[in-house]
Amino acid sequence: QQPVQSPQAVILREGEDAVINCSSSKALYSVHWYRQKHGEAPVFLMILLKGGEQKGHDKISASFNEKKQQSSLYLTASQLSYSGTYFCGTATGNQFYFGTGTSLTVIP
Amino acid sequence: ETGVTQTPRHLVMGMTNKKSLKCEQHLGHNAMYWYKQSAKKPLELMFVYNFKEQTENNSVPSRFSPECPNSSHLFLHLHTLQPEDSALYLCASSQDLRAGQRNQPQHFGDGTRLSIL
Repeated sequence: QQPVQSPQAVILREGEDAVINCSSSKALYSVHWYRQKHGEAPVFLMILLKGGEQKGHDKISASFNEKKQQSSLYLTASQLSYSGTYFCGTATGNQFYFGTGTSLTVIP
Repeated sequence: ETGVTQTPRHLVMGMTNKKSLKCEQHLGHNAMYWYKQSAKKPLELMFVYNFKEQTENNSVPSRFSPECPNSSHLFLHLHTLQPEDSALYLCASSQDLRAGQRNQPQHFGDGTRLSIL
C-alpha cells in the first residue's frame, strides 16, 4: 500500500540536479511531496492531482504520471538548503500513505 | 511558525503511566491527523478527524486514544504503552476532507518525542 521511493539516499554537490521517484501499486488520485529537515516538522512542497500535471516553484518541480502510477520530484541547481528527507504521499481513494523517504544531502 | 503547535515537545514515561499529547492549530482547518514516525520507517497515519468526527483509525492499539473536542484541538491519550511505542508523534491539519479526498496540503507540528522506559 505504501508507495516506494527511489533512491533511498543521494548526496549532491551544490548546483547539481537530482530526481526522486515515487511509485505506487494502486491507482492514484493525488500525490503530495514534503520535505523534512532533521529535528523539524515535515513541510509541504506541492500537490499534484490526477491528470498528468506538472508543477513547480523556484527550482523544485514535480510530475505525475497517472497511467504509470508514478510521480517524480526534480531538484535543479541544488542548494545547501535542499538537504533533508523527501517524502511523497499518495492518495488512493480515501486512503493516504507516505512513502519510505529519500534522504538528500547537498554538500558545498 | 508552523501554525500547528504540539505539547509537550519531549515526554518520557513508564509503561504504567497515563499521559496526553496535545495539538492545537491556528489555521482555521477542519481536518486533523495523528502520525507516528519511527526511525527508518515511513510516517504512519494513526487517526484522522474531519469536523471533529473520527474518519480513520488505522488499526491503532487501544492504548492510544484520540480526542477531538473541536476543530482546533486534538489530543492523544496514552495508557500502558510499550517500549516499541517510543517514536516521534506528529500532528497535522488540513482544510478538510471533501468526500474523503486528500487533495489539500497538510501542515505539521514539530512533534512530541516520546520515550517509553
